Amino acid sequence: RKEVEQDPGPFNVPEGATVAFNCTYSNSASQSFFWYRQDCRKEPKLLMSVYSSGNEDGRFTAQLNRASQYISLLIRDSKLSDSATYLCVVTPRTSGTYKYIFGTGTRLKVLA
Amino acid sequence: DTGVSQNPRHKITKRGQNVTFRCDPISEHNRLYWYRQTLGQGPEFLTYFQNEAQLEKSRLLSDRFSAERPKGSFSTLEIQRTEQGDSAMYLCASSRGGGPDYNEQFFGPGTRLTVL
Repeated sequence: RKEVEQDPGPFNVPEGATVAFNCTYSNSASQSFFWYRQDCRKEPKLLMSVYSSGNEDGRFTAQLNRASQYISLLIRDSKLSDSATYLCVVTPRTSGTYKYIFGTGTRLKVLA
Repeated sequence: DTGVSQNPRHKITKRGQNVTFRCDPISEHNRLYWYRQTLGQGPEFLTYFQNEAQLEKSRLLSDRFSAERPKGSFSTLEIQRTEQGDSAMYLCASSRGGGPDYNEQFFGPGTRLTVL
């Protein structure tokens, strides 16, 4: 079983739709969680950190459920420019390096 | 530009050749990471430096791979006797360090390696 699992998609949604991605992680001692966005052939860029209390940034909302060991990302009012791969990232507590463990990424395509 | 930079951006080499990549992190960041990403997968951790000390290496980093960060600033990743399976995007990232609250990693544009 992979440490971080995501549905690879692709998710094809019309402009204006709401779309949600989930990610599960296996290490219950994980301590930091992030969503990164990666455009085709580009580097990952931080979209948002994920906190136990949940956090929102404009059209994007991230939630963390430690009991069930999953992270979610909700995108409201999808734009064409949201088309990208969304990477779920976990940092294991057992690692003093704070290295990132990535999921495979979920591809989103927003259609006109 | 004060972001993470990597050189070269692209490298095509023949199987069996040695290649070296360079990463220049954000100047005040003391943590530096190397990752490898293949098509359709998320990046995979290779190795980590805190200042000049290499503190963790993944099992993915075979003995053909070596990384250095001699003065705690830029880092190099060398692959000896390249194999076709080494073809991937090699990403460098840096972070400020100081605990989980300063863990956000900033990625460079990557070096895309093609081994023929």
